[in-house]
Amino acid sequence: DIQMTQSPSTLSASVGDRVTITCRASQSISSWLAWYQQKPGKAPKLLIYKASSLESGVPSRFSGSGSGTEFTLAISSLQPDDFATYYCQQYNSYSLTFGGGTKVEIK
Amino acid sequence: QVTLRESGPVLVKPTETLTLTCTVSGFSLSNSRVGVSWIRQPPGKALEWLAHIFSNDEKSYSTFLKSRLTISKDTSKSQVVLTLTNMDPVDTATYYCARTPSYYYDGSGQRVIYYFDYWGQGTLVTVSS
Repeated sequence: DIQMTQSPSTLSASVGDRVTITCRASQSISSWLAWYQQKPGKAPKLLIYKASSLESGVPSRFSGSGSGTEFTLAISSLQPDDFATYYCQQYNSYSLTFGGGTKVEIK
Repeated sequence: QVTLRESGPVLVKPTETLTLTCTVSGFSLSNSRVGVSWIRQPPGKALEWLAHIFSNDEKSYSTFLKSRLTISKDTSKSQVVLTLTNMDPVDTATYYCARTPSYYYDGSGQRVIYYFDYWGQGTLVTVSS
């Protein structure tokens, strides 16, 4: 199975900060990558698919980039609603895998 | 409006078989591109994909848990059922069902599931004697 490694595991930031989260794949996954946001006690919510395509209804402050083995999720100006845990997911192989998650905390 | 709702036991004993049902609405399980997966999340841990069923009844399973998992569907009832045998305390988790909007074929001709655009609210299953 393809391993997905996210960094950092925890990120402390303030409202208005620009934050970036990195996801690395153990082998090339082209652009077959999605990003999700999850709040405590809730199901994940799709933010980005195909590495850089913004899901309908997701604020434009979220953006995704990368291809191959290295990907980035960026939040241009962190809002109070953005404090959550973020996961990447590869869909390059039939056995899907998720990253370990990055928790974005209030500084 | 697309919705998915998981149902099943909240507590199972070690060695028992877990059966979970996902009831969907707002789309058909016979839609040629859409499929449904099961995903779980142990408390405080990351997400783990378990199994997927395509509209033509083709199934795909996690490499790690394949021997213990069975996924099936009843299109007339709009339900997807997951069974996980020989439950162990490490299987304690919130179990989600989620929809994938499509799939593609990889270089070897195998179907690869897309991302998950709609999720159920999840159901917490605890394994304890």
